[in-house]
Amino acid sequence: GAGVSQTPSNKVTEKGKYVELRCDPISGHTALYWYRQSLGQGPEFLIYFQGTGAADDSGLPNDRFFAVRPEGSVSTLKIQRTERGDSAVYLCASSSLGGEGDTQYFGPGTRLTVL
Amino acid sequence: AQSVTQPDIHITVSEGASLELRCNYSYGATPYLFWYVQSPGQGLQLLLKYFSGDTLVQGIKGFEAEFKRSQSSFNLRKPSVHWSDAAEYFCAVGTTDKLIFGTGTRLQVFP
Repeated sequence: GAGVSQTPSNKVTEKGKYVELRCDPISGHTALYWYRQSLGQGPEFLIYFQGTGAADDSGLPNDRFFAVRPEGSVSTLKIQRTERGDSAVYLCASSSLGGEGDTQYFGPGTRLTVL
Repeated sequence: AQSVTQPDIHITVSEGASLELRCNYSYGATPYLFWYVQSPGQGLQLLLKYFSGDTLVQGIKGFEAEFKRSQSSFNLRKPSVHWSDAAEYFCAVGTTDKLIFGTGTRLQVFP
């Protein structure tokens, strides 16, 4: 079956602009996660959705970052007033039910470059 | 605080040699532990996971990992490395609502 997909695969934007990154999880997965991976680092947690609601958004770095999942499937990560420090690979993952033992399946990521 | 440490940033081995990648964790309860592999331009792929029971876990691509509670370790092993194993390897601990990753170990394989 289809895995997690993310669009676009690459996004180049200018400092101060607004960007949206999209994630399509595996069909039927109720849990969805966003991570950010900077160069030479492991992925860092941003936000976790259980269904339509954000169960944990403690990893969002500041109020410029926001994510939605209005119908419990596709999710969009939104970044306002982008800064050069936002440049990273943004990874999306989904899992069947969520919780500490549930396997997370990752998409290929969106590489964001802020000039 | 929960954390994962991968002490080796970069490892180089010859094809056919054995491999061990180190992972140490800090977690208050019995951990759920994972190893993922990331090839260039690819997403993270799960190699194996440990929840409970047998402390030696078998994964895909001939990898295995051993959970040692006394050492807070979950090292990844492979008896004979193939050139296609060259990639970045990440150890992670699962919490209620997220994975906490180590910084990764880059594996280079020489023919």
